Amino acid sequence: KNEVEQSPQNLTAQEGEFITINCSYSVGISALHWLQQHPGGGIVSLFMLSSGKKKHGRLIATINIQEKHSSLHITASHPRDSAVYICAVSYGGYYGGSQGNLIFGKGTKLSVKP
Amino acid sequence: DSGVTQTPKHLITATGQRVTLRCSPRSGDLSVYWYQQSLDQGLQFLIHYYNGEERAKGNILERFSAQQFPDLHSELNLSSLELGDSALYFCASSAGGTRVLLSPLHFGNGTRLTVT
Repeated sequence: KNEVEQSPQNLTAQEGEFITINCSYSVGISALHWLQQHPGGGIVSLFMLSSGKKKHGRLIATINIQEKHSSLHITASHPRDSAVYICAVSYGGYYGGSQGNLIFGKGTKLSVKP
Repeated sequence: DSGVTQTPKHLITATGQRVTLRCSPRSGDLSVYWYQQSLDQGLQFLIHYYNGEERAKGNILERFSAQQFPDLHSELNLSSLELGDSALYFCASSAGGTRVLLSPLHFGNGTRLTVT
């Protein structure tokens, strides 16, 4: 059974700090997703990756397939980054767009203070 | 705006009742996924439909069922509701396709179901 572990569970940072959230999983996957959930409840997909590194603005996601580990970095954090960040893995293969068959981590609640 | 529409946004109903949640995927997306987010279980994958056909089931209860219609919108039917079914229900869509690898997921804003 694939399990997804995230750390830390809660994180408080000062504006401008560099933030790292970690995710590890136990068996082979087809893709790893980083999701953002704001207090209002809506979920936004930040990254989907199966190897290497992706960057979008101040957000960087990396994955190490051999170590079954991924990190989400936020550079120059801002109060608007305050949200729950969720790591999830796809295990269903590529056929028919099964990357949405996800196992989710419990999330990391990030609070960035001004 | 993800392009995925979920209705209704909020739903309050009583135990034993039946409700239908609706999801309209992003234009052109063939895959629809349903998820449940509850306080005790967190986010769980329920079911996946691709171009009208069921593709995979996750932790979906027998009291729950779903379908995807020819226009690709999907409905999640929850019956014999219990207090524990109170949760946020999300759908997401992706392009899918037999040779489309790793197309992004687009999430709706969710339906908050409260069972009293």
